[in-house]
Amino acid sequence: SYVLTQPPSVSVAPGKTATITCGGNNIGTKSVHWSQQKPGQAPVLVIYYDNDRPSGIPDRFSGSNSGNTATLTISRVEGGDEADYYCQVWDANSEHPGVVYGGGTKLTVL
Amino acid sequence: EVQLVESGGGLVQPGGSLTLSCATSGFTFSLYYMTWVRQAPGKGLEWVASIKDDGSEKYYGDSVRGRFTISRDSAKNSLYLEMNSLRVDDTAVYYCARDTIGDHWGQGTVVTISS
Repeated sequence: SYVLTQPPSVSVAPGKTATITCGGNNIGTKSVHWSQQKPGQAPVLVIYYDNDRPSGIPDRFSGSNSGNTATLTISRVEGGDEADYYCQVWDANSEHPGVVYGGGTKLTVL
Repeated sequence: EVQLVESGGGLVQPGGSLTLSCATSGFTFSLYYMTWVRQAPGKGLEWVASIKDDGSEKYYGDSVRGRFTISRDSAKNSLYLEMNSLRVDDTAVYYCARDTIGDHWGQGTVVTISS
């Protein structure tokens, strides 16, 4: 089955840029979506189809996807960005198609 | 405004059954795939199941296939998850989400499997 690999944690100072990666075999051929989850809350979609932002998501959030790595970039990081971030794809190629989530990355704002 | 409201969670003994519901509003339910995702305590998101907009196709995660059944009722704008042969490791917050990308989520319902 398809596997998505994320770093468990990323730390960044306020005002700097955070980069969270999501690795998968030829992930560049798939559409990647990113969700943000703060403690005790439901996830919120922040990037879909590699680099589209839902309404209400600041343009500080952006995404890219190529080769074996998709990336979520958060510019001018704020304290309110501290959360867990999950990448996900639809794996259509397996015997049993379905959604695959990465293990999640905890973003800490120093 | 899109709203998803889960219900039906609770405490069940191992081997038991439970059915979760997700009432939706604010969008044309019959046009969207729907998805269940769960999160065990202190763990990451785990996809459980998805169902096509017309209900004709259903997809399940490996850990629940054969035990859980996803369904929908367009007349009631509702999504369901029937869970059988429940195990301790099914303990989690269960979320319903719109589409397979999860562009909207409910607040979740807690399922605890314990003797």
